[in-house]
Amino acid sequence: SAVISQKPSRDICQRGTSLTIQCQVDSQVTMMFWYRQQPGQSLTLIATANQGSEATYESGFVIDKFPISRPNLTFSTLTVSNMSPEDSSIYLCSVDRLTALTPTEAFFGQGTRLTVV
Amino acid sequence: KNEVEQSPQNLTAQEGEFITINCSYSVGISALHWLQQHPGGGIVSLFMLSSGKKKHGRLIATINIQEKHSSLHITASHPRDSAVYICAVLPNTGNQFYFGTGTSLTVIP
Repeated sequence: SAVISQKPSRDICQRGTSLTIQCQVDSQVTMMFWYRQQPGQSLTLIATANQGSEATYESGFVIDKFPISRPNLTFSTLTVSNMSPEDSSIYLCSVDRLTALTPTEAFFGQGTRLTVV
Repeated sequence: KNEVEQSPQNLTAQEGEFITINCSYSVGISALHWLQQHPGGGIVSLFMLSSGKKKHGRLIATINIQEKHSSLHITASHPRDSAVYICAVLPNTGNQFYFGTGTSLTVIP
């Protein structure tokens, strides 16, 4: 079974609304990462989420647009706020190393395909 | 500047052909992943490599740390292998991955 569960796997949303994406890990991890893949481009880091502190955002991404929660060491959410069609992308969560025996699939969620209409 | 380069960008093959996708990177890494992205967008990790070679069914992944290069091979390709294949590297410093732009593979029956 997958070690990381990301949901929803896809959604179609109206512009101006918000969507929250969840990422659940069945082991405690220090760092969780949120990425975005716009059509035709590679995955780009949005922010790093550490438990107990505010997320660290990469250049071009701001907390008001992509608020992140990290309430504990096994869970994080990314919200895409006030959506526009330009937010149509795949969003992906990943985690840092668990153990040397962590199976390959443990590092990445399954991705969320978001379409904004 | 892109730390991870993949080639080819697009690949069309006949069913049964042997396929190779290449990944070159410019940073020192602790691990490299090959991911498969299905047409619907779902992402599946295929391999995690830090050295040598791994095999899973018809898929083989190799890495040469000195040359900063990895290859993903698919033997006896099948239409269900049609997907985007993405190379992701984990640098020695830091915890975030760097991703290639992906190789879009289409296998024709």
